[in-house]
Amino acid sequence: QVQLQQWGAGLLKPSETLSLTCAVHGGSFSDHYWSWIRQPPGKGLEWIGEIYHSGGTIYNPSFESRVSISLDTSENQLSLKLTSVTAADTAVYYCAKHGGKSFDYWGQGAPVTVSS
Amino acid sequence: QSALTQPASVSGSPGQSITISCTGTSSDIGAYNFVSWYQQHPGKAPKLMIYDVSNRPSGISNRFSGSKSGNTASLSISGLQAEDETTYYCSSYTRSNSGSLYVFGTGTKVTVL
Repeated sequence: QVQLQQWGAGLLKPSETLSLTCAVHGGSFSDHYWSWIRQPPGKGLEWIGEIYHSGGTIYNPSFESRVSISLDTSENQLSLKLTSVTAADTAVYYCAKHGGKSFDYWGQGAPVTVSS
Repeated sequence: QSALTQPASVSGSPGQSITISCTGTSSDIGAYNFVSWYQQHPGKAPKLMIYDVSNRPSGISNRFSGSKSGNTASLSISGLQAEDETTYYCSSYTRSNSGSLYVFGTGTKVTVL
């Protein structure tokens, strides 16, 4: 049974860099895609980007200039960095494992607030 | 890429059946059989209910079913139960100039009367 555990800074000031980590328990990165998805308060879900176990990444064009997703295969962790955050980046951020073209396992979510 | 369009709310009585629609375009839902549905209770992570239009993951009740016609996908819930009352999101795979892209629906709140 795969479990995803997330952590990271929850309160940021505008222009700072958001940094989150997601640890994968009960599974490995091999042959899987992994994504980050966010949900602003009271709103719907938004896909940020994905990374393959080889390290290849694809980002949502809406975030492409600010986002970086990486893997640490030795620790079974994936990370998200989002630069130059604004209040519009306030959201709950989820990591998720792909099951084909869907998301079959999700982290518990990490709330991030951007406020001066 | 715009969000997929879902009705804001759908309601039904216990035991009844309801259907939630998810409307996209010929570039997402209409182009790929990669529609998935997620159930999300307040304060919790989404849970996969349907993948690849009509497939149920192991452990998901057969009261949940999915279908697609043209640019619109649908999630049906039969034998509505109190525990089904929450928000549901659809999602579709598509592609951008960069490669893969996933779009989500606007979300539908299901109320059990």
